[in-house]
Amino acid sequence: DVKVTQSSRYLVKRTGEKVFLECVQDMDHENMFWYRQDPGLGLRLIYFSYDVKMKEKGDIPEGYSVSREKKERFSLILESASTNQTSMYLCASSRTGAASGQPQHFGDGTRLSIL
Amino acid sequence: AQSVTQLDSQVPVFEEAPVELRCNYSSSVSVYLFWYVQYPNQGLQLLLKYLSGSTLVKGINGFEAEFNKSQTSFHLRKPSVHISDTAEYFCAVSEGSNFGNEKLTFGTGTRLTIIP
Repeated sequence: DVKVTQSSRYLVKRTGEKVFLECVQDMDHENMFWYRQDPGLGLRLIYFSYDVKMKEKGDIPEGYSVSREKKERFSLILESASTNQTSMYLCASSRTGAASGQPQHFGDGTRLSIL
Repeated sequence: AQSVTQLDSQVPVFEEAPVELRCNYSSSVSVYLFWYVQYPNQGLQLLLKYLSGSTLVKGINGFEAEFNKSQTSFHLRKPSVHISDTAEYFCAVSEGSNFGNEKLTFGTGTRLTIIP
């Protein structure tokens, strides 16, 4: 089974802090994704990566950046955390792109609170 | 651009009753369609997917969905629900012919509550 592991289930940070969310997958997948999930809004794509050191903006990249130095690891960075970034963050991976019909595999999520 | 509409944000159903969760999509090209389930405090898990072929797709836990191209719908059904089906369900679409587009677009979700 594919395993996508997010480093923290719950995280509390202060406004203005630099925040790192880590995600690791164990199936040698090329593609990795970061979403945020908010009630009534579903999942919104922040960034994705289709190869090491490659990244593409999703629908809501403002206030975030990402890093993919190794194939199995994809990090989401909040450069200066703000209260409107309080949310559930979900990481996913897939063997190839959605355009080929491959499903995405999700981690259990990180519930981030910015105070 | 592709989009997904889940008309019902919440659906309460009595245990052992049938259920249908509605999903409509919008796309100018051929699509791949997915249903995911999210149990409390967990990530999303794939229920089923439609890529091509038979329009009736069977998934895990007794769920099935039917792709209807003329109505641009992909509704999820189960003939008899169980308490353990209480969860949030997400419909998602990708544009099959748009190679290089790695993105899935998700609906806003339907919270299914099973009443004992």
